Amino acid sequence: DAGVIQSPRHEVTEMGQEVTLRCKPISGHNSLFWYRQTMMRGLELLIYFNNNVPIDDSGMPEDRFSAKMPNASFSTLKIQPSEPRDSAVYFCASSPRGSWGTGAFFGQGTRLTVV
Amino acid sequence: GENVEQHPSTLSVQEGDSAVIKCTYSDSASNYFPWYKQELGKGPQLIIDIRSNVGEKKDQRIAVTLNKTAKHFSLHITETQPEDSAVYFCAASSNTGGFKTIFGAGTRLFVKA
Repeated sequence: DAGVIQSPRHEVTEMGQEVTLRCKPISGHNSLFWYRQTMMRGLELLIYFNNNVPIDDSGMPEDRFSAKMPNASFSTLKIQPSEPRDSAVYFCASSPRGSWGTGAFFGQGTRLTVV
Repeated sequence: GENVEQHPSTLSVQEGDSAVIKCTYSDSASNYFPWYKQELGKGPQLIIDIRSNVGEKKDQRIAVTLNKTAKHFSLHITETQPEDSAVYFCAASSNTGGFKTIFGAGTRLFVKA
């Protein structure tokens, strides 16, 4: 298996633009997580899907952030409009059943820079 | 809210020495504790984990211990090698409340050759 695949690997955009990050989880995994990593705040869980349904989005910073999982093999994280403080590395991770008992498998991340 | 504290933030050891990273969690419902290693430019990778019904687990040079009463858990790396240099994260989660995982702030380990 190729693991969790994220695209793009790097994204540079201007403030105010819409940004869409993409994730393909490992086949057969029914849980998907979006994390954000910054030096100041470390790894933060943004949202968690189970069987394509959002279970916990309490980590989504504000309404500018939205996430979807239209099917078991694809998810998107959208920021509209983007702001410089959104600059971070965004990770997608998947797990066979939550992340309890098995841990989560992380993608390579998308480094987002908003200028 | 739930919190996981991790110490030290930076650790430098000589090749061949042992390294110990300690974490404390606040949510008494936490019952699964994974450890992740993150190398530069990559996502975190699960290296070992422990469940609350076990006090210790070992996998080659890596071991984890758990003290449920004190809400402490630790990662022990023996015979460290330069390739062990990375950032290590502890985490805590429970199989209730949506399987939410809380990560520690990370420990940057340097192994000097």
